[in-house]
Amino acid sequence: NAGVMQNPRHLVRRRGQEARLRCSPMKGHSHVYWYRQLPEEGLKFMVYLQKENIIDESGMPKERFSAEFPKEGPSILRIQQVVRGDSAAYFCASSTLETQYFGPGTRLLVL
Amino acid sequence: AQKITQTQPGMFVQEKEAVTLDCTYDTSDPSYGLFWYKQPSSGEMIFLIYQGSYDQQNATEGRYSLNFQKARKSANLVISASQLGDSAMYFCAMREGEGSGGSNYKLTFGKGTLLTVNP
Repeated sequence: NAGVMQNPRHLVRRRGQEARLRCSPMKGHSHVYWYRQLPEEGLKFMVYLQKENIIDESGMPKERFSAEFPKEGPSILRIQQVVRGDSAAYFCASSTLETQYFGPGTRLLVL
Repeated sequence: AQKITQTQPGMFVQEKEAVTLDCTYDTSDPSYGLFWYKQPSSGEMIFLIYQGSYDQQNATEGRYSLNFQKARKSANLVISASQLGDSAMYFCAMREGEGSGGSNYKLTFGKGTLLTVNP
């Protein structure tokens, strides 16, 4: 029973480039959450998606960030025109009703 | 106001001893859930233990137990018989609105406590 998969594990981008982060939930899970962890901080909620629907994006920055969870394939968190402040670890989690299980995270470094 | 407060930035414990990591929370929702996650230096987030607000008994999972004091709004994690592999960051998190019929169970995290187990 594979866990939550995220790729890439590490991503380096120059300022102004695009970053695409992928998350495949655990088998049978149709709820995906994205969180961001800045250095020395706890995780902060960004967005909650179900298949083909964004349910709650209250934690997403208003510009440059978008997320999707298509009917087929992984959930994608997309960051356009990255800036140095986007450097962080990005985690996705998939859930049963009770517990969220996290992927290993993607460490994004913006040069 | 902070919804989850972890007042101990760092804690030290001797191997084989017990340690308590503090967590207080703030919510007006009658239904909520409390979680602890472990983040070792490798970076992944590992689920440890869960406590529902209506659970009558404190949750236990192996060497982990959650000291839930509802009136004080505290949910401290107790690790018994510490091992060197317990050295990690520990995060307390809360989910509000359980049992409300909705399905948005986003978590709010504290800032974490760095636990170091000394040999």
